[in-house]
Amino acid sequence: GIQVEQSPPDLILQEGANSTLRCNFSDSVNNLQWFHQNPWGQLINLFYIPSGTKQNGRLSATTVATERYSLLYISSSQTTDSGVYFCAVERTSGTYKYIFGTGTRLKVLA
Amino acid sequence: NAGVMQNPRHLVRRRGQEARLRCSPMKGHSHVYWYRQLPEEGLKFMVYLQKENIIDESGMPKERFSAEFPKEGPSILRIQQVVRGDSAAYFCASSTDYNSPLHFGNGTRLTVT
Repeated sequence: GIQVEQSPPDLILQEGANSTLRCNFSDSVNNLQWFHQNPWGQLINLFYIPSGTKQNGRLSATTVATERYSLLYISSSQTTDSGVYFCAVERTSGTYKYIFGTGTRLKVLA
Repeated sequence: NAGVMQNPRHLVRRRGQEARLRCSPMKGHSHVYWYRQLPEEGLKFMVYLQKENIIDESGMPKERFSAEFPKEGPSILRIQQVVRGDSAAYFCASSTDYNSPLHFGNGTRLTVT
């Protein structure tokens, strides 16, 4: 099956710092989403981004499907950004299920 | 527009009992997915259903686990004769169609004692 690897696995930032999270996948994909799982366990939709670049406030994402990776940028990080960030991909071939990456655990210090 | 509703939020079962987890998709969504998350781990795909059909159950254990999404009513994930290893958070997601984004519920935390 498809492999979805995220890096770095863990990240500690000081409030106000910027960061880049990476998602690599091993096969062609139709769709890609980024999620934030907050400390209470809720999964928050960040981006639905099969290709191209999108921005939402301090967050932006870029997917280069032909090179099989996606990047999530967090600028001016806040303590509320803490949690785990997951990418999830849907393979081009298959039954349209989304496979989740390994996650990046982010802690933002005040 | 209400989001994906899962209940119960927390469920405690003794070993050997049955667990029933419910998921009501967002209005207008006919595709439902179930995922399991063990403590400190990622989300693992279990099953993908459309109304009255199981599309992909490749991630679901062959024994004790079953899922349904009837024409009327919520999707149900059923775990028979639970064991301690079934303790996890179970998340449901829904979408409108193929090639559509997933929207997740808040999950059901199952604890087997």
